[in-house]
Amino acid sequence: QVQLQQWGAGLLKPSETLSLTCAVYGGSFSDYYWSWIRQTPGKGLEWIGEMNHSGSTRFNPSLKSRVNTSVDTSQNHFSLKLTSVTAADTAVYYCARGGGGDWNFDYWGQGTLVTVSS
Amino acid sequence: DIQMTQSPSSLSASVGDRVTITCRASQKIDSYLNWYQQKPGKAPKFLIYAASSLQSGVPSRFSGSGSGTDFTLTISSLQPEDFATYYCQQSYFPPLTFGGGTKVEIK
Repeated sequence: QVQLQQWGAGLLKPSETLSLTCAVYGGSFSDYYWSWIRQTPGKGLEWIGEMNHSGSTRFNPSLKSRVNTSVDTSQNHFSLKLTSVTAADTAVYYCARGGGGDWNFDYWGQGTLVTVSS
Repeated sequence: DIQMTQSPSSLSASVGDRVTITCRASQKIDSYLNWYQQKPGKAPKFLIYAASSLQSGVPSRFSGSGSGTDFTLTISSLQPEDFATYYCQQSYFPPLTFGGGTKVEIK
């Protein structure tokens, strides 16, 4: 049974960097791509980007300039950093399994509410 | 980007009703269309892939159809646990995009 568990800071000030990590339990980490998706009341679900165990990535052009990702294959973790956040980045952020051409998100983390406020 | 438009944005139905939700893509996406169910405070749940293939463990009352630009999700007999918001998502090409959602409420 595959489980994704995510964590990270939930309250940020404008211009700070959002940092989230997702741990994968069960299943194969290296056989899949892993994605980040966020959800806001206004814009709905928005795909942020994807990565795999070897560091191959693809990002949504709307966020590409501010997104960084990393992977720790020793612990089956993958991480997201979003720089220079504003109130518009306030959202529930999810990690999910899927990407790299197989863009079906079949397993999701529990979600992390990130609020950006001064 | 490929825009995904769902209709209606919300609907009211009774247990046992047949419910149909529509999703339209702004360009042809063959059958690269997924459906998800989301309940309040929870992550989306993967229901259907490739427009009409049921994900393992999903009840057979759920079905999907369509190709090209027009797709539908049908719940043949609505059950109490089906009251939720449903989203379509194109898996044709990045950036991957989702529809705005259809909230299915109790009549």
